[in-house]
Amino acid sequence: AQKVTQAQTEISVVEKEDVTLDCVYETRDTTYYLFWYKQPPSGELVFLIRRNSFDEQNEISGRYSWNFQKSTSSFNFTITASQVVDSAVYFCALSEAKAAGNKLTFGGGTRVLVKP
Amino acid sequence: DTGVSQNPRHKITKRGQNVTFRCDPISEHNRLYWYRQTLGQGPEFLTYFQNEAQLEKSRLLSDRFSAERPKGSFSTLEIQRTEQGDSAMYLCASSPHRGHSGNTIYFGEGSWLTVV
Repeated sequence: AQKVTQAQTEISVVEKEDVTLDCVYETRDTTYYLFWYKQPPSGELVFLIRRNSFDEQNEISGRYSWNFQKSTSSFNFTITASQVVDSAVYFCALSEAKAAGNKLTFGGGTRVLVKP
Repeated sequence: DTGVSQNPRHKITKRGQNVTFRCDPISEHNRLYWYRQTLGQGPEFLTYFQNEAQLEKSRLLSDRFSAERPKGSFSTLEIQRTEQGDSAMYLCASSPHRGHSGNTIYFGEGSWLTVV
């Protein structure tokens, strides 16, 4: 069965510092998809990024970047030069290609607090 | 606004009462999902529809819960004889289904339920 672990429950930083969120996953499927979502206090889960298991190229998108390593089953996410508006709970999620409906399995989330 | 819409956003009900939540997905999406999220936890899958067909239900969905999507558009989630343990946020999400897996799932703002 699939599982996602976010070991960090809360991270507190000062504005402009970089923040790296850890995510470790377990799956028996050879094809899967990894996601990061942001949940601000309003409650809506906002899609940030998605990665396919067959594409390990790491990318940067604005202030966001991610590091996908299949060898260690990790999918870490970095916010560069954090801002107060980045304060939220961040969830890592996994979707297996063989799972019906591509449903997501979420980690427990990491709360990020960016102080001015 | 063309995102996933949920209402009511908040509901306080007495134990034993029935409640119903409505979800309007993104218009061109034929998959619709319900998740439940309790405080401090990641969302957990409840059920999903492809068009009007309910294709999978989690064991979390007890017989007091029923979900429908009668015309393949909006969906309702009804909880009968509510219990205090039902207090949670109920998230609706939708995604396209274009013949391959891994489509991104987009979430609404959620419906908070408090059972007193």
